[in-house]
Formats: sequence, C-alpha cells, structure tokens
Amino acid sequence: SAVISQKPSRDICQRGTSLTIQCQVDSQVTMMFWYRQQPGQSLTLIATANQGSEATYESGFVIDKFPISRPNLTFSTLTVSNMSPEDSSIYLCSVLITGATTSGGYTFGSGTRLTVV
Amino acid sequence: DQQVKQNSPSLSVQEGRISILNCDYTNSMFDYFLWYKKYPAEGPTFLISISSIKDKNEDGRFTVFLNKSAKHLSLHIVPSQPGDSAVYFCAARGNQAGTALIFGKGTTLSVSS
Repeated sequence: SAVISQKPSRDICQRGTSLTIQCQVDSQVTMMFWYRQQPGQSLTLIATANQGSEATYESGFVIDKFPISRPNLTFSTLTVSNMSPEDSSIYLCSVLITGATTSGGYTFGSGTRLTVV
Repeated sequence: DQQVKQNSPSLSVQEGRISILNCDYTNSMFDYFLWYKKYPAEGPTFLISISSIKDKNEDGRFTVFLNKSAKHLSLHIVPSQPGDSAVYFCAARGNQAGTALIFGKGTTLSVSS
C-alpha cells in the first residue's frame, strides 16, 4: 500500500486566515480524496482531486473555500480559506491504489488537526 | 441523509470476549464495504473488507458478515484484546471505478482487561 505524508499534523489558526495542507504520496496515484472529520462526526468527503483536471467538490463544499491543487501524481494540497471556528476539524487526504491487494486499495494520511480561534 | 449508519456510538467488552460492531446502509448500489480502525491523532487504518458478492470474509481475529437483503454488515472481533480499543468506522463504495468511500460516524470500542 502507499505511504502518505500529510503536513502539518496540527495547527492553531486565527479566524480569517488561510491554511494549506500538503499530502505527499510515495508512489504515483490517480485518485486522491480530501475528507473532513468534525468532532464526533463521520469522515465527510470534501472533494476528489485527479491530476490534470479540476477537483470535483461534494455538495456543501466550494472551490473558493477549499481550493485544491494536484500538480502531479504524487502530491496535492488543500487550502482552508478565510477560516472560522466552524472549520475546526481533522482534515485527511486519501489515495486509491487500483488493484491493491492490501488496505482495500484506500490509504489515509495521518490527518491535520485544525483549530480556529 | 446518511447512507452509512453506525447506530451505536460506543461498545464496551471484556478482554477475551467477542466484540460485534454493526453497520447499516441505505444505498443498494454499494458494492464494496470496508472497516477501518482509528486511534487519536492518526489516520484510519484498514482492517478488513468484503465485496457485495460475498457474505463473509475472515482475517485472523476479524470477520465481517454482509447481509445484502437487510443492508447490514457487522464486524466480529474474537477474542477481543485491550489493544483493539479504538474508533471503528464502517465505509462503503459505489460501483463506479475510482469512487470515494462513504463513512459511518464510527463506534468507539473499549476493551477492558
């Protein structure tokens, strides 16, 4: 399975500022996903990020608030823009390795715990 | 509307006994189901999966059962160990290639020694 390095692991940010989260994978992957886990909630898909195309956002998430870059097959960033306390969550990136025999094909980063004050 | 539901937020079990975690889903187009384990400050780690064409998959102490007619799956851990204490997430995938997983809210399992 792939190994994902996600940075930063945690941050405390002032409201109104922006934070960019990085996701680096040790192998080339086509499918990358960004999730949010609010306190006590499930992992909610923010968007699917495929290299060479615009990210596809889920209902309730917009590009202006969560811009995503996917410059190559091993790297992606998610920016949380103009933050408010409601954005305090754990943000996770995930990749899909097609044909993987372990991990069910899906692997997750360790997450970024964001607190907005 | 939640498509994957884990109705028990927590479960407490004694070491050596069986832990049974339940999951229900509403979308009949789901074709693949997975269970993840998550510790605080870590990402979810894969435990076991099952295809919709099967009704059981076993891997060591972990067994997943799928009842398609009831749209229900369960994870059995036997015997339970204190190191199994974590949050367990049920996830499902649609039948289109490359789709993302849809998660339940998780069940916190506590195994006491």
